[in-house]
Amino acid sequence: QVVETGGGLIQPGGSLRLSCAASGFFVSSNYMSWVRQAPGKGLEWVSVIYSAGSTYYADSVKGRFTISRDKSKNTVFLQMNSLRAEDTAMYYCARDLAGYMDVWGKGTTVTVSS
Amino acid sequence: EIVLTQSPGTLSLSPGERATLSCRASQSISSSFLAWYQQKPGQAPRLLIYGASSSATGIPDRFSGSGSGTDFTLTISRLEPEDFAVYYCQQYGSSPRTFGQGTKVEIK
Repeated sequence: QVVETGGGLIQPGGSLRLSCAASGFFVSSNYMSWVRQAPGKGLEWVSVIYSAGSTYYADSVKGRFTISRDKSKNTVFLQMNSLRAEDTAMYYCARDLAGYMDVWGKGTTVTVSS
Repeated sequence: EIVLTQSPGTLSLSPGERATLSCRASQSISSSFLAWYQQKPGQAPRLLIYGASSSATGIPDRFSGSGSGTDFTLTISRLEPEDFAVYYCQQYGSSPRTFGQGTKVEIK
């Protein structure tokens, strides 16, 4: 399973780091993705980190968000900078089996508002 | 990027009825790299189908997926009360991964 933490209320322009702790598998041996869902809206893929370490981002967050992982903690992170109101969403972490996502966390809520 | 369009937006059916959900892609999806997810209110998405037609672990056999190229279908053969939810398709044949806007299956 995966458990996300780190969400909260943040002002526009601020930064937040989300964490995704995995158990039962190694994040370093898998692809791991972040997917978000704005209130009342659909799912939007945000970022992925491959087992080899390559990272990719949606255009909407490129240059502002950074995905990384800590092998020793079996945890994946999403560093979010220059946050905007449109980044307000539930953020889900998921194990990514080369494209589709089979293990999802319950999510952590990020609210960007002054 | 590949745009996925799901139809209908809402499907109103009774328990026991058959549900047919459509997902159409703006361009062909390579190797049928399409997945379906179910999401209930307040819950995370749950993987149902991957590779267009392969069932995920533990998914009841009333759920089935089909299609190729640009047209894909999720079929629920006989709706159970727990199947009323929102369903999303997602493609992973082309970067970036993209989701459809969802189809809500509601009780008639």
